[in-house]
Amino acid sequence: AQSVTQLGSHVSVSEGALVLLRCNYSSSVPPYLFWYVQYPNQGLQLLLKYTSAATLVKGINGFEAEFKKSETSFHLTKPSAHMSDAAEYFCAVSLLFGNEKLTFGTGTRLTIIP
Amino acid sequence: DTGVSQNPRHKITKRGQNVTFRCDPISEHNRLYWYRQTLGQGPEFLTYFQNEAQLEKSRLLSDRFSAERPKGSFSTLEIQRTEQGDSAMYLCASSTRGTESSYEQYFGPGTRLTVT
Repeated sequence: AQSVTQLGSHVSVSEGALVLLRCNYSSSVPPYLFWYVQYPNQGLQLLLKYTSAATLVKGINGFEAEFKKSETSFHLTKPSAHMSDAAEYFCAVSLLFGNEKLTFGTGTRLTIIP
Repeated sequence: DTGVSQNPRHKITKRGQNVTFRCDPISEHNRLYWYRQTLGQGPEFLTYFQNEAQLEKSRLLSDRFSAERPKGSFSTLEIQRTEQGDSAMYLCASSTRGTESSYEQYFGPGTRLTVT
């Protein structure tokens, strides 16, 4: 079975500061990893995905994440936070082959301080 | 491409009533997923279809829940004899299979169910 753990249910950063949202995964096979963003009362939007190609993945809105197998991590970063980044962020994992259901973490709410 | 749509967006019902939600996936997508999201939690997988075949159901999907995708296009999720614990956001997603992009699920806006 696969799982993800998101460290920190709430993260606050100042506008212009580095954003770092943490995600650690557990999987019996090489995983596919995803970061989704959710704005209030909306569905989820894919930010980026890792599918066994490059370990550094660039996504939309200036976000990127690095897959580190030795640390079983897939942390999300953005060099400079913008007010529009305030939202809930979810890390998710699926198995490499066959079963593609997503297993989500509990989410991290990002607040941007003006 | 109009994205994944879900109806209704909001549903308030009394305990014991039946409710049905509809999901229309992106037209060329042959996989369709249902998830449930409670307040402060991440989405939890309920079930998924490839075309009209229901391939997997979570243990979260009690016998009061049933999902269908009769012609491999839209899907419905029905909850019978609703309970207050069923109050949640029900999310639908769709994807294609066969390429790397098949690991990308596109989500709808969700249906928020409130059981009073």
